[in-house]
Amino acid sequence: EVQLVESGGGLVQPGGSLRLSCAVSGFTLSSYWMHWVRQAPGKGLVWVSRSNSDGRTTYYADSVKGRFTISRDNAKNTLYLQMNSLRVEDTAVYYCARDPAVGATNGYFDYWGQGALVTVSS
Amino acid sequence: DIQMTQSPSTLSASVGDRVTITCRASQSISKWLAWYQQKPGKAPKLLIYEASSLQSGVPSRFSGSGSGTEFTLTISSLQPDDFATYYCQQYTIYWTFGRGTKVEVK
Repeated sequence: EVQLVESGGGLVQPGGSLRLSCAVSGFTLSSYWMHWVRQAPGKGLVWVSRSNSDGRTTYYADSVKGRFTISRDNAKNTLYLQMNSLRVEDTAVYYCARDPAVGATNGYFDYWGQGALVTVSS
Repeated sequence: DIQMTQSPSTLSASVGDRVTITCRASQSISKWLAWYQQKPGKAPKLLIYEASSLQSGVPSRFSGSGSGTEFTLTISSLQPDDFATYYCQQYTIYWTFGRGTKVEVK
């Protein structure tokens, strides 16, 4: 059974840092491109970042570029999102999501984690 | 950036109704569109990909159509489990979601 489990969320002050983890099981992380998508309270879904299967190619939304870093440890089957210089507007539930193509990209997301809440507030 | 516009933002319907949600792209995205269902406090669930392909395990009352800039998600006979928020997503250039359509009880 495919599972994605996020952890690492919490309350952080503006300007602070946090690292989210997404532990996957039921499939081999090294074969799949992975994404982070966030959802502010009561709002819609917003794509944040993408990592190709070996982690060497990454993309970011303009709103997080230069502050967030996506990475992965394929040996540990874990995806990460390092978030620095956090702002109040980064408050959201952060989901990791899998692109279903093996070794490539389809572009949509077939499996999602349950989400990790990040609250940025003083 | 490609903008995705969903309509309506809220839809009131009854069990058994035929429901249609529209999604328009600011430029052509060919068939590269997905639809998701999200219930409160839960992760989104993939329903449709490539505009009209039904994801495995999704009931056949869900269907998608369209290409280019205009797309629709149709629920042929609304069931109690279908009251939720629905999002479209383009994946031609980067990844962009619509703002969602909430299907509520009439």
